[in-house]
Amino acid sequence: DAGITQSPRHKVTETGTPVTLRCHQTENHRYMYWYRQDPGHGLRLIHYSYGVKDTDKGEVSDGYSVSRSKTEDFLLTLESATSSQTSVYFCAINGGTGGRNTEAFFGQGTRLTVV
Amino acid sequence: GDSVTQMEGPVTLSEEAFLTINCTYTATGYPSLFWYVQYPGEGLQLLLKATKADDKGSNKGFEATYRKETTSFHLEKGSVQVSDSAVYFCALTIDSNYQLIWGAGTKLIIKP
Repeated sequence: DAGITQSPRHKVTETGTPVTLRCHQTENHRYMYWYRQDPGHGLRLIHYSYGVKDTDKGEVSDGYSVSRSKTEDFLLTLESATSSQTSVYFCAINGGTGGRNTEAFFGQGTRLTVV
Repeated sequence: GDSVTQMEGPVTLSEEAFLTINCTYTATGYPSLFWYVQYPGEGLQLLLKATKADDKGSNKGFEATYRKETTSFHLEKGSVQVSDSAVYFCALTIDSNYQLIWGAGTKLIIKP
């Protein structure tokens, strides 16, 4: 199994509070991604990183920010949580060195509830 | 833009039945295609993949063939088991940053 850990695994927070989710990898992979999973929507990309301090927005980035200060850690921050951000969040990593054959590995997910 | 469409679920089958989950895609370039599986309470894991036309990906008895002429990558298994109950996602990647474009997922329920 790929070494990828998300924390926390579950969190309940109040509307308007900041929340930070952490993704930690031990694979030294270059690419890291944050997705959210909601019923009927599959997975939607929030932000991704293609190197230390190099990040870019995905299709649903509003209300989220990310940081990657070292290869192994990718943080997702909800600046002011809203109920629409209640979701399951997945981190993924990709080595990006195998060309078109490269696969992504996923963490176990973080279930976030905003009340 | 690029997109993936897969059949809606849930799909309910009896054990040992034949499975097909349809997946079609639109892409401006030449994508790699993937099937991922998500077991209850877990993250996603790669089931199989194909990177060029007519390639067949296979794993754990599942197969899918990259059909460029019909832009499809249908998932099949000859005899399903209760343990195959999960959500199956079709996805493609075409971007140099290896971003995945996802289908909505198909929940598969296998009854003994």
